[in-house]
Amino acid sequence: GAVVSQHPSWVICKSGTSVKIECRSLDFQATTMFWYRQFPKQSLMLMATSNEGSKATYEQGVEKDKFLINHASLTLSTLTVTSAHPEDSSFYICSGEQGRDQPQHFGDGTRLSIL
Amino acid sequence: EDQVTQSPEALRLQEGESSSLNCSYTVSGLRGLFWYRQDPGKGPEFLFTLYSAGEEKEKERLKATLTKKESFLHITAPKPEDSATYLCAVNTGFQKLVFGTGTRLLVSP
Repeated sequence: GAVVSQHPSWVICKSGTSVKIECRSLDFQATTMFWYRQFPKQSLMLMATSNEGSKATYEQGVEKDKFLINHASLTLSTLTVTSAHPEDSSFYICSGEQGRDQPQHFGDGTRLSIL
Repeated sequence: EDQVTQSPEALRLQEGESSSLNCSYTVSGLRGLFWYRQDPGKGPEFLFTLYSAGEEKEKERLKATLTKKESFLHITAPKPEDSATYLCAVNTGFQKLVFGTGTRLLVSP
């Protein structure tokens, strides 16, 4: 149980394009979803927290106009990287939380490469 | 400031050689400590949740314990398939997790 599906798993695109990443909770309703970024051999860095039907809360230093988050339903959140540049290349991971103080369950991540 | 520290950074074991990973935390209020396993190129896989000092959880060759200042992940008679990065994370009650930097475990046959 508690499966989170993330798509796509790998994206390569040209600088200046926008990329959308989907995160779905398949067998539970995620009242809160989270988006992380992970650099090689480093731990997860929280980018933003989103609650269904409300605006996302971004961590300090994360540009909300560049990383657009939409949490339209209890099972779907999307992250759109707008006008992506090579420095945005990274491993992006989403997670969903079943309830307060419950464990987060993670997707398998999206490797984004901007040329 | 809430802080989570994991040690060692990397650990190499022979198959069958038991050991423990440490997660020390300094947080204002603990609302849960979580252990995850992460394989290369994948998202973290949930292993255990611990909520109060003295609590223990067990799954196959893994056993997690919790005190007021740290948690241990004990690995008994590990196998090569246990090789992964093990992450510890703490919920401080502000709807987000504070992660440690992980322990990279390599088990050789």
